[in-house]
Amino acid sequence: DQQVKQNSPSLSVQEGRISILNCDYTNSMFDYFLWYKKYPAEGPTFLISISSIKDKNEDGRFTVFLNKSAKHLSLHIVPSQPGDSAVYFCAVKGSSNTGKLIFGQGTTLQVKP
Amino acid sequence: DSGVTQTPKHLITATGQRVTLRCSPRSGDLSVYWYQQSLDQGLQFLIQYYNGEERAKGNILERFSAQQFPDLHSELNLSSLELGDSALYFCASSTRPDRYEQYFGPGTRLTVT
Repeated sequence: DQQVKQNSPSLSVQEGRISILNCDYTNSMFDYFLWYKKYPAEGPTFLISISSIKDKNEDGRFTVFLNKSAKHLSLHIVPSQPGDSAVYFCAVKGSSNTGKLIFGQGTTLQVKP
Repeated sequence: DSGVTQTPKHLITATGQRVTLRCSPRSGDLSVYWYQQSLDQGLQFLIQYYNGEERAKGNILERFSAQQFPDLHSELNLSSLELGDSALYFCASSTRPDRYEQYFGPGTRLTVT
């Protein structure tokens, strides 16, 4: 069973507009929620995180929102830039004493100039 | 460049064979993780080592094994290979064993024919 789901395989937005990527999870015991970004032929890179005790975390153009009651995580990118075109993975930290990450399937974001 | 190196970049082998994937973590990182990304799938956690000891195990097949050496590099051994083992294998590293911010290598693409 998939504990982390990204239901949209792809998303296309115009440069300068907002990109919203969504993620759902099943286990309310996860303590950290993350977004990683991946360019072709490279490994994923950490983008932003949010603790389970918060509902919003902002870092420049990137904001992550956590809705614990809905078990839903979203990433907002404002304004979107062509360089943001990549695969975005949401992930959760599986336990407190290890670094095991549980990833979603990824959403491919295309930002059109 | 994350500082994590993986060799080889590409590997093509036949069913039933055995291969070894190698990973060197970032300088100073004591924890190493292995993830598998199959076609259209998210990254699946395989195993974590911290300072030479196994720390966490995911859905790693019995045909697969790993170890971390005293110089902290790690190897993932895949044996009795099947077509379904074709995937991208990523290694990641972190300083502490419970970190969610992990640094990923570029991956090894394994093709089993």
